[in-house]
Amino acid sequence: SYVLTQPPSVSVAPGQTARITCGGNNIGSKSVHWYQQKPGQAPVLVVYDDSDRPSGIPERFSGSNSGNTATLTISRVEAGDEADYYCQVWDSSSDQGVFGGGTKLTVL
Amino acid sequence: EVQLVESGGGLVQPGGSLRLSCAASGFTVSSNYMSWVRQAPGKGLEWVSVIYSGGSTYYADSVKGRFTISRDNSKNTLYLQMNSLRAEDTAVYYCARLSAAGRPTPTGTSYYFDYWGQGTLVTVSS
Repeated sequence: SYVLTQPPSVSVAPGQTARITCGGNNIGSKSVHWYQQKPGQAPVLVVYDDSDRPSGIPERFSGSNSGNTATLTISRVEAGDEADYYCQVWDSSSDQGVFGGGTKLTVL
Repeated sequence: EVQLVESGGGLVQPGGSLRLSCAASGFTVSSNYMSWVRQAPGKGLEWVSVIYSGGSTYYADSVKGRFTISRDNSKNTLYLQMNSLRAEDTAVYYCARLSAAGRPTPTGTSYYFDYWGQGTLVTVSS
């Protein structure tokens, strides 16, 4: 089955840029989606189709995907961005959803 | 407004059964792809199962043969029947709607979870 690898944690100061990576074999050939989850809450979609944003998600959230790495970039990080972030792909060969292990973003 | 409301969670003994429900509003369950995703305490998200609009169903290897996803079109509700429960099935279970990604890829159509319920906690313990 397809495996997605994320760093367990990323730390960034307020106002700086956070980059959260998601590694997978030739992930650039897949569409990658990203979710934000705050404690005690359900996940929220923040980026889909590598780089598109759902309505209501700030432009500070962006995504890219190439080669073996997809990246979620959060510009001008705010305290309210502190959360767990998960990448996800759909494995069409097995009709299964696949999530990365998640990355805890800490705002210093 | 799209809403998903799960129910049916609780405490169950190992080997027992439980049926989760997910009542949808604002859209038609039978016309969409629907999934269950779970999250063990302090752990990450784990995809569990999907039912396509055509009725095909697929499962994670960890639950195959024990869990069954289904829907009741008249009630616009998604279900997850869980049998032979184990301690490792302890988790918050979320239902979620799937949408198709627009970008064509060599590996086929991709799907993402655009709406989620609030989750229901299942605890398997003696």
